Amino acid sequence: QSALTQPASVSGSPGQSITISCTGTSSDVGGYKYVSWYQQHPGKAPKLMIYDVTNRPSGVSNRFSGSKSDNTASLTISGLQAEDEGDYYCSSYTSSNTLVVFGGGTKLTVL
Amino acid sequence: EVQLLESGGGLVQPGGSLRLSCEASGFTFSSFAMNWVRQAPGKGLEWVSSISGSGGSTYYADSVRGRFTISRDNSKNTLYLQMISLRADDTAVYYCAKDRYGSQSKGIDYWGQGTLVTVSS
Repeated sequence: QSALTQPASVSGSPGQSITISCTGTSSDVGGYKYVSWYQQHPGKAPKLMIYDVTNRPSGVSNRFSGSKSDNTASLTISGLQAEDEGDYYCSSYTSSNTLVVFGGGTKLTVL
Repeated sequence: EVQLLESGGGLVQPGGSLRLSCEASGFTFSSFAMNWVRQAPGKGLEWVSSISGSGGSTYYADSVRGRFTISRDNSKNTLYLQMISLRADDTAVYYCAKDRYGSQSKGIDYWGQGTLVTVSS
């Protein structure tokens, strides 16, 4: 069982918007600004899409945005494109002795 | 350009040992915490271990504490993961990953391509 809870799958049509949630506790997501989101395509390494809850690295499309409310962080992808299809993982710093926790991952399907 | 190149993966018998290495380039290695993250076949990402930029602080997942040891050689820009008492459930692709911060792991920003570790008789 993963420390952070994500939906197993989400889907949307090209051009639509989708949101992926990531629920933790006050010891991780709710307590710190250190939430990141990663995109992973099959057979590839993960790629950072959002860091520190809301920030986009250089080169990441502004169609990707992040937010947080209480113990739940969210990744929103607007204007869905076929290339957005893949697995998405959230992670957070945690005050527990494990330091880092990941979500179980969400498979995004672009219909 | 940040580059992380893992090596050392392979097939090992249960109870065996393996040492993974990760050569880093394109950034000031000693200024950033580093991580190992693994992904079992068909499964999600699992954080394994982190080490501060200086190497003075280390952290482990409960599943590997006491069996895995993370270390770094800042003079060689290289990260290591020594793994002993390997079990079948350690089978995974192991990723070397750079953190955005120096002292504690608070957000990975770059990942290597991974090295496959298979534990099987």
